Amino acid sequence: SQQGEEDPQALSIQEGENATMNCSYKTSINNLQWYRQNSGRGLVHLILIRSNEREKHSGRLRVTLDTSKKSSSLLITASRAADTASYFCATGGSWGKLQFGAGTQVVVTP
Amino acid sequence: DTGVSQNPRHKITKRGQNVTFRCDPISEHNRLYWYRQTLGQGPEFLTYFQNEAQLEKSRLLSDRFSAERPKGSFSTLEIQRTEQGDSAMYLCASTVSGGRNSIYGYTFGSGTRLTVV
Repeated sequence: SQQGEEDPQALSIQEGENATMNCSYKTSINNLQWYRQNSGRGLVHLILIRSNEREKHSGRLRVTLDTSKKSSSLLITASRAADTASYFCATGGSWGKLQFGAGTQVVVTP
Repeated sequence: DTGVSQNPRHKITKRGQNVTFRCDPISEHNRLYWYRQTLGQGPEFLTYFQNEAQLEKSRLLSDRFSAERPKGSFSTLEIQRTEQGDSAMYLCASTVSGGRNSIYGYTFGSGTRLTVV
């Protein structure tokens, strides 16, 4: 079974628009991470937020974490065609094992 | 190091055959993970190693699956008597551990896509 659930399952936007996706999880966590996966490839680590952090930025990415609601959001600003990919949230406990959600498929059209 | 390397990239096998996949992690990473991913789903945890010790195995890892990491370097994942349900992408990831509460992102390989016919 998977820990996280991403919402929406799919998102279609135009270049320059912002893309927001959400992740909800069930049990307490040590950290939450977001990954990107291009079709048929491995996953690429985007950003990690610890359970005692509320917001984090990395380039065009902004992640929030609300542990009271067991939810996180990933915002991609000024999207580009190259941002077309599946995005996964992953929750981690101790010892570094991650549990992934089913992902949000993002399509950015020029 | 150019990252995590997985071989082969693709494997087609007949049902009932044995297959073995290899993962070469980033050399300074002491933790290594195996995941399985089917179409439209996120990766599912199979097992992980800290150095050469296999610390946890998922219930997904039936008796037909075995993983090793001799000398704490590369790892192999073997599937015996393959079934059509084993068809999936098998992903390897590595990371560095600084202790129980150290948290780092994973570096994933490109995966091995297994098709059982």
